[in-house]
Amino acid sequence: AQTVTQSQPEMSVQEAETVTLSCTYDTSESDYYLFWYKQPPSRQMILVIRQEAYKQQNATENRFSVNFQKAAKSFSLKISDSQLGDAAMYFCAYLEYGNKLVFGAGTILRVKS
Amino acid sequence: DAGVTQSPTHLIKTRGQQVTLRCSPKSGHDTVSWYQQALGQGPQFIFQYYEEEERQRGNFPDRFSGHQFPNYSSELNVNALLLGDSALYLCASSPQGGGFLYTGELFFGEGSRLTVL
Repeated sequence: AQTVTQSQPEMSVQEAETVTLSCTYDTSESDYYLFWYKQPPSRQMILVIRQEAYKQQNATENRFSVNFQKAAKSFSLKISDSQLGDAAMYFCAYLEYGNKLVFGAGTILRVKS
Repeated sequence: DAGVTQSPTHLIKTRGQQVTLRCSPKSGHDTVSWYQQALGQGPQFIFQYYEEEERQRGNFPDRFSGHQFPNYSSELNVNALLLGDSALYLCASSPQGGGFLYTGELFFGEGSRLTVL
């Protein structure tokens, strides 16, 4: 079974600064999909960004971008120009065939004003 | 357009009791998945329903069962509750149309917080 590891339980960033959240995964597949989801205090999970493994180019969505290193099985999330509204729990997730998302344990992001 | 709605928001049960959680998917979505999120952990896949049938199941005992109705809404039932069943239960919907590799966005509800005493 695939596993997803987030080694940073908690991170802090100053408003307007940049922060990187780490994620590693284990899979024997060559083609797969990875996601970052955000869970604010409202508890509703929101998709932040998605990466397809066969695409070499790193995905970007406005202030959010990923550093996808397929050989290293690493999938980090970079948040630029951090805003107070970015404070949340962030989950890295791997999509298994059968539409199961396998989530990491999460990283709490705190944004300081 | 209402998103995914779940009820109840919070509930408290005692060991051995049974609980039913409900989910209404986002309009136009035909597939519902359920996840369990224990405190401080990531969500874990319980099962997925499409066309009123369970299509995929995670590593959860038979005490966890579900149902999907013709209007695509879904229920999660847990029998013989254990203390370890205390968690946030998340429902997610998607317009998969039967596919087994849906790579789009899952839309989540705000969850039902279950406390078992």
